[in-house]
Amino acid sequence: AQSVTQLGSHVSVSEGALVLLRCNYSSSVPPYLFWYVQYPNQGLQLLLKYTSAATLVKGINGFEAEFKKSETSFHLTKPSAHMSDAAEYFCAVRLSNDYKLSFGAGTTVTVRA
Amino acid sequence: NAGVTQTPKFQVLKTGQSMTLQCAQDMNHNSMYWYRQDPGMGLRLIYYSASEGTTDKGEVPNGYNVSRLNKREFSLRLESAAPSQTSVYFCASRTSQRGTDTQYFGPGTRLTVL
Repeated sequence: AQSVTQLGSHVSVSEGALVLLRCNYSSSVPPYLFWYVQYPNQGLQLLLKYTSAATLVKGINGFEAEFKKSETSFHLTKPSAHMSDAAEYFCAVRLSNDYKLSFGAGTTVTVRA
Repeated sequence: NAGVTQTPKFQVLKTGQSMTLQCAQDMNHNSMYWYRQDPGMGLRLIYYSASEGTTDKGEVPNGYNVSRLNKREFSLRLESAAPSQTSVYFCASRTSQRGTDTQYFGPGTRLTVL
C-alpha cells in the first residue's frame, strides 16, 4: 500500500520569502512522485515529477523538489514567493506497476504582500 | 487541443435524482480517471479506465458507475444522488507511453446534492 502525507494544511509566507511544502510517502518500492498545483476554481496542473532520474527536480514557475529516499520525502521549494503562487498544492505518488495516483490532503499557500 | 473537457461545470441535484457527468479528452490517451475532491481530503479516486474497454474501482466507488464509451470519452453516473456526494469532480487522462507519465486534469464539475 502507498500513502502520502503533507505536513501542514496551510502555509503563509511573505512575498519574496522561501516557500517550503513538505511531503512524505510510504511505499514498499521507490515510487513516481509528483507535485500538482490548483489555482482557485481550476483543475490541477503538474508542477514537476520525479521518475527515478535526477533526485533534484526542477519544475515550472521556479519550483523544485528533492527526492530523499532515506527520509521518504519529496519536499517542494521555491526560493522567493510571488503573489501568483497563492494556490493549493498537492503531492501525489504512483507505483511503477500501477495506473493510479494517491494524493496527499493538500497544502494551501497564502502569500502576504 | 482542448485537453480534457468536462460537462457540466455546475449542477444542483435533489436527493435521489440521477445524472451523468461527461468527460472527453483529445490527446489520444489510453487511461482515464474520475476523482472527487473534498476539503482536507485531497483527491480520491472513484473509478479509472486503464484502456478502452476496461474499468476498475478506485478508492471510493460506492454510489457511482462509469462507462468508457470509446477512447475519448469516460462518463460518471450517479444513479441516486445523496448529500454525501456533494463534491467537486475531476476527470483526468494519461498516456501509457514510457517517459510521459503525467495525468492531465479537466476543469472540474461542482455538484451539490440537496
